[in-house]
Amino acid sequence: AQSVTQPDIHITVSEGASLELRCNYSYGATPYLFWYVQSPGQGLQLLLKYFSGDTLVQGIKGFEAEFKRSQSSFNLRKPSVHWSDAAEYFCAVPSSGAGTALIFGKGTTLSVSS
Amino acid sequence: DAGVIQSPRHEVTEMGQEVTLRCKPISGHDYLFWYRQTMMRGLELLIYFNNNVPIDDSGMPEDRFSAKMPNASFSTLKIQPSEPRDSAVYFCASSIQVDSANTGELFFGEGSRLTVL
Repeated sequence: AQSVTQPDIHITVSEGASLELRCNYSYGATPYLFWYVQSPGQGLQLLLKYFSGDTLVQGIKGFEAEFKRSQSSFNLRKPSVHWSDAAEYFCAVPSSGAGTALIFGKGTTLSVSS
Repeated sequence: DAGVIQSPRHEVTEMGQEVTLRCKPISGHDYLFWYRQTMMRGLELLIYFNNNVPIDDSGMPEDRFSAKMPNASFSTLKIQPSEPRDSAVYFCASSIQVDSANTGELFFGEGSRLTVL
């Protein structure tokens, strides 16, 4: 069965420091992979997605993620974190074939210290 | 273009009362999803529809929960009777059929925060 694991529940980074949020997945074929961000009291917003081609994908707000098939990982990165990046981040894969529901990881809460 | 619209944003009710949550998907989207978010369980898929037809309702916790999609622009999630453990944020999301131009990402509403006393 498809699954997503986000090993880090909570991460704190200093403003201006780099960030990496981990995501590991279990999927039967080449997956579609997604990262979403949720600010307090808001819905989820798509940051970026991978579906084929270049394994390094760029997203909004300066985020990028790299798909590594050998490690079943899709880690999210940002070279310099801003205070406004404090939020909860979710990694997701389709529950079965493309075009169906997404299964989400438990999320990683990012705090940014000044 | 308007996003996914959910109402009410906040609902406080007493145990045993009926609760109805509403969702208007993005126009032209043919998939609609209901998720529930809690601290303990994270984001759980409750049910989803394709072209107004329920496809998978295995995530609906019990018979107290029901969902309908009478047309392409409206869906409801009903809880009757409600219980304190139903307190959560309920999200509606919509998406479009995957093809060469679309990769199936979900577009979420802002959620309905339900508190059952």
